Amino acid sequence: EAQVTQNPRYLITVTGKKLTVTCSQNMNHEYMSWYRQDPGLGLRQIYYSMNVEVTDKGDVPEGYKVSRKEKRNFPLILESPSPNQTSLYFCASSLPPYNEQFFGPGTRLTVL
Amino acid sequence: AQSVTQLDSQVPVFEEAPVELRCNYSSSVSVYLFWYVQYPNQGLQLLLKYLSGSTLVKGINGFEAEFNKSQTSFHLRKPSVHISDTAEYFCAVSISANNLFFGTGTRLTVIP
Repeated sequence: EAQVTQNPRYLITVTGKKLTVTCSQNMNHEYMSWYRQDPGLGLRQIYYSMNVEVTDKGDVPEGYKVSRKEKRNFPLILESPSPNQTSLYFCASSLPPYNEQFFGPGTRLTVL
Repeated sequence: AQSVTQLDSQVPVFEEAPVELRCNYSSSVSVYLFWYVQYPNQGLQLLLKYLSGSTLVKGINGFEAEFNKSQTSFHLRKPSVHISDTAEYFCAVSISANNLFFGTGTRLTVIP
């Protein structure tokens, strides 16, 4: 089954404790993105990757890191999480040129 | 700069009544248009898309949308809603593989 998977689905952590949210897709898509969803703000892109070892900032990259060492994986790293990063995070993959996104199930992160 | 406006943040409608969710965008170039649906506690799922050709696009679950280039709109419609249509709906606009902009969402509540 074609899908995007994320882990964990739910995470509660404390300020400053490094964490990684994993994302994997099995559709051989070149493009992958991370979004955060906040009430009243819709989805905002954090980072995106056009291929292995090629990443770029989206609209809200501050406080986040990403890496793309393999085509199928695109982990999101919060090196020092803060409460304002409490949000619902989605990973997505897509194929150019139309940019139709295939979303993972989401990770709900709470930073205390 | 591109932007997407969903004019209604919440739309309550009675079961079996018609509904229209509005989406307007601003762009000086050709765009691809999408509607996504997010059911409670789930990820985003593609409802329909406009890439080119016929301006009336049909999607899943009986939804359709019409691309109006002169009014820069892509409104979503359904002639008769069901309880199961209760969800949040997001309009999105893409001008290239690296640029996808989401609206802030419309929460559709179907009242029995």
